[in-house]
Amino acid sequence: AQSVTQPDIHITVSEGASLELRCNYSYGATPYLFWYVQSPGQGLQLLLKYFSGDTLVQGIKGFEAEFKRSQSSFNLRKPSVHWSDAAEYFCAVGVSDKVIFGPGTSLSVIP
Amino acid sequence: DTGVSQDPRHKITKRGQNVTFRCDPISEHNRLYWYRQTLGQGPEFLTYFQNEAQLEKSRLLSDRFSAERPKGSFSTLEIQRTEQGDSAMYLCASSFGGVEGTDTQYFGPGTRLTVL
Repeated sequence: AQSVTQPDIHITVSEGASLELRCNYSYGATPYLFWYVQSPGQGLQLLLKYFSGDTLVQGIKGFEAEFKRSQSSFNLRKPSVHWSDAAEYFCAVGVSDKVIFGPGTSLSVIP
Repeated sequence: DTGVSQDPRHKITKRGQNVTFRCDPISEHNRLYWYRQTLGQGPEFLTYFQNEAQLEKSRLLSDRFSAERPKGSFSTLEIQRTEQGDSAMYLCASSFGGVEGTDTQYFGPGTRLTVL
């Protein structure tokens, strides 16, 4: 069955430090992959997506993600974290017409 | 483009009561999705529509749940005889469905349901 795992439930980083959030998926075919962010009391906002082509994908707010087929991974990165990046981050895989979400990683940012 | 809207944003109800939520998708989007999200979890797929046709329902959607999209625009999700386990955030998303594959879904702010 298709699934998404995010190994880190919670991550704390200092403002200005680099960030990497891990995501692994299980899906037999070529995946459609997404990263969403959810701030408290807010809906899910799309950060970036991978459908095909270049495996390094640029998104909004300075985020990027790299698709590695051999590792079934789609990790999210940001070179310098801002305090406003504190939120819940969800990795997701598109299966047929549905999207399956991972459990999320909660990011805290220390000033 | 005003985004996906949901109403109400919060609903508190007593166990056994019926509740109905509304979702207005982005106007040109033909697909509409409902998800449920509990605390500390990612959203779980419930059902989706292409235009007015309901194409798939998750096994999470018990007989007490029903969704409609009568004119292919807004959608309603009704929960009958609510139970405390129904307490969750109900999210709506819409997309412009292509010929194949998974298109990008845009989410509304959600309706938070609390069943007392």
